[in-house]
Amino acid sequence: GQQVMQIPQYQHVQEGEDFTTYCNSSTTLSNIQWYKQRPGGHPVFLIQLVKSGEVKKQKRLTFQFGEAKKNSSLHITATQTTDVGTYFCADNNNDMRFGAGTRLTVKP
Amino acid sequence: EAGVAQSPRYKIIEKRQSVAFWCNPISGHATLYWYQQILGQGPKLLIQFQNNGVVDDSQLPKDRFSAERLKGVDSTLKIQPAKLEDSAVYLCASSLSSRGLGGYTFGSGTRLTVV
Repeated sequence: GQQVMQIPQYQHVQEGEDFTTYCNSSTTLSNIQWYKQRPGGHPVFLIQLVKSGEVKKQKRLTFQFGEAKKNSSLHITATQTTDVGTYFCADNNNDMRFGAGTRLTVKP
Repeated sequence: EAGVAQSPRYKIIEKRQSVAFWCNPISGHATLYWYQQILGQGPKLLIQFQNNGVVDDSQLPKDRFSAERLKGVDSTLKIQPAKLEDSAVYLCASSLSSRGLGGYTFGSGTRLTVV
């Protein structure tokens, strides 16, 4: 079935630096969801994007849905150690198919 | 609001043995999902229930995996016989919407190790 591709696979940043992860699909997405999974934890729902070109913000997190609804991004401004974890996008076209995730580590 | 409950948290079995996992979703959530998450990978959907009916089990290895949700509330996932490659975290999730709109709530998972 269709998969969403996430890049990068890993990202190591210094605390205070920005971070961006990208989610790409070869086909149009009906909507996309983002989840965060802390080390040893379970995925936690962050946000859902539905509309073309949609931008949503949650404090230091900014989520975007591409105009063609084939890609999405999550940007974190001024990372903190609490941002550590793996960020997954998930395609909700028919069932929820998750990308492989971007693992973020933050050096204090 | 109570979360999604799963048990056990950990299980170690030998290959060819059987194992069962239990999930109790959030009250009122009609849709329940079982995911398999292998270390370093994203969750992979195994089966989706809407009430007590199966919506999607296309990725469930039916020769060894089975799942049921008899009364439309809690669910069990069984593996028989287990293989080494079944070592993973088995996550249960539920959602209010039948299409997962508004997000899924995941349980803490069951970490299965097959030796």
